[in-house]
Amino acid sequence: QQKVQQSPESLTVSEGAMASLNCTFSDRSSDNFRWYRQHSGKGLEVLVSIFSDGEKEEGSFTAHLNRASLHVFLHIREPQPSDSALYLCAAPSNMGYKLTFGTGTSLLVDP
Amino acid sequence: DPKIIQKPKYLVAVTGSEKILICEQYLGHNAMYWYRQSAKKPLEFMFSYSYQKLMDNQTASSRFQPQSSKKNHLDLQITALKPDDSATYFCASRGTGGDTEVFFGKGTRLTVV
Repeated sequence: QQKVQQSPESLTVSEGAMASLNCTFSDRSSDNFRWYRQHSGKGLEVLVSIFSDGEKEEGSFTAHLNRASLHVFLHIREPQPSDSALYLCAAPSNMGYKLTFGTGTSLLVDP
Repeated sequence: DPKIIQKPKYLVAVTGSEKILICEQYLGHNAMYWYRQSAKKPLEFMFSYSYQKLMDNQTASSRFQPQSSKKNHLDLQITALKPDDSATYFCASRGTGGDTEVFFGKGTRLTVV
């Protein structure tokens, strides 16, 4: 059964400084991963999906997948205070359609 | 313009009562899901529907019953509500194929008193 862990639990960065978030998963055969953002009390906003090892960029968000090491990272370039939110990593179950989420990284961007 | 509509946004219910959470999607997707987000816990998969048929049920309690009256609807009926059912319930949908996005609604925050 897929297990997903995220670190750090919380992260504070200054406006404009790179933010790096980490997600580890347990099933090396997984083939699609998603990063979502959730502002306080709001729904989930998909940021970037990645389906093969390497990098994928969507605006200021870059996902980096390394299945051999069971990691998928999210890098946020030049974050703004409006990027302060909970960032959630999601990995597929063995059936593919079910997503398993981590507990999230709470990002605070100081102006 | 939201493509997945959940109603109501907030809901307060009395212990023992029954409520229905509404979800409609206008993305043309055939697969729909329910997830639950409780305090201090990760988002948790509940149900999966494809072409209006139940594909997977990870909810132990029969008090939770999804209902699909139309292809783009997947409502969630919860009976005999308990305070532990307090959570935000998210509806999601996905197109066919292995690498399509999963989109989420804005959620219904349920509080059981």
